[in-house]
Amino acid sequence: GESVGLHLPTLSVQEGDNSIINCAYSNSASDYFIWYKQESGKGPQFIIDIRSNMDKRQGQRVTVLLNKTVKHLSLQIAATQPGDSAVYFCAALSYGQNFVFGPGTRLSVLP
Amino acid sequence: DTEVTQTPKHLVMGMTNKKSLKCEQHMGHRAMYWYKQKAKKPPELMFVYSYEKLSINESVPSRFSPECPNSSLLNLHLHALQPEDSALYLCASSQVAEKLFFGSGTQLSVL
Repeated sequence: GESVGLHLPTLSVQEGDNSIINCAYSNSASDYFIWYKQESGKGPQFIIDIRSNMDKRQGQRVTVLLNKTVKHLSLQIAATQPGDSAVYFCAALSYGQNFVFGPGTRLSVLP
Repeated sequence: DTEVTQTPKHLVMGMTNKKSLKCEQHMGHRAMYWYKQKAKKPPELMFVYSYEKLSINESVPSRFSPECPNSSLLNLHLHALQPEDSALYLCASSQVAEKLFFGSGTQLSVL
């Protein structure tokens, strides 16, 4: 099966700095990855996704990098803002089955 | 409409009560999901309905009973719950093997 983990459960960054949140997965057959943001009292919100035929994808202020060789995924947030404070989950999909979620990283943005 | 709507937002019930959680989506998604999320943990998959048929049951106790009346609606019937069942219950929908769209959840407390 798949297991998804993170290197760092909490991350604090200064407002305006860039944030990098990391995720590792175990199943080399995983072929679709998503980053979700969850604010307190809300459901997870889709941020960005990437498929295994790509190694980088950019959105508005966010970039996802995929390294299939070491089975590592990262989320980069540019110019981090107070509204970015939340818990971030990565999720991996294998064989078209259900997504497996990582344990989450809590991002705190310092003024 | 890109929303998944869950009701109620909060629910307090005793161990002998019967209650139901409701979920609705109008995005034409053919897969619907129930997740359970404990504080500071990632969502855990409970059930998956695909084309209105139960396709995955992650060994959930029978005191949780899912129902999918039609392609837009998903219910979770609760009976004789235990205090350890207190959690945030999240509904999600997707096209099959595509990104999940989550509702805001029902915060359930079992007394």
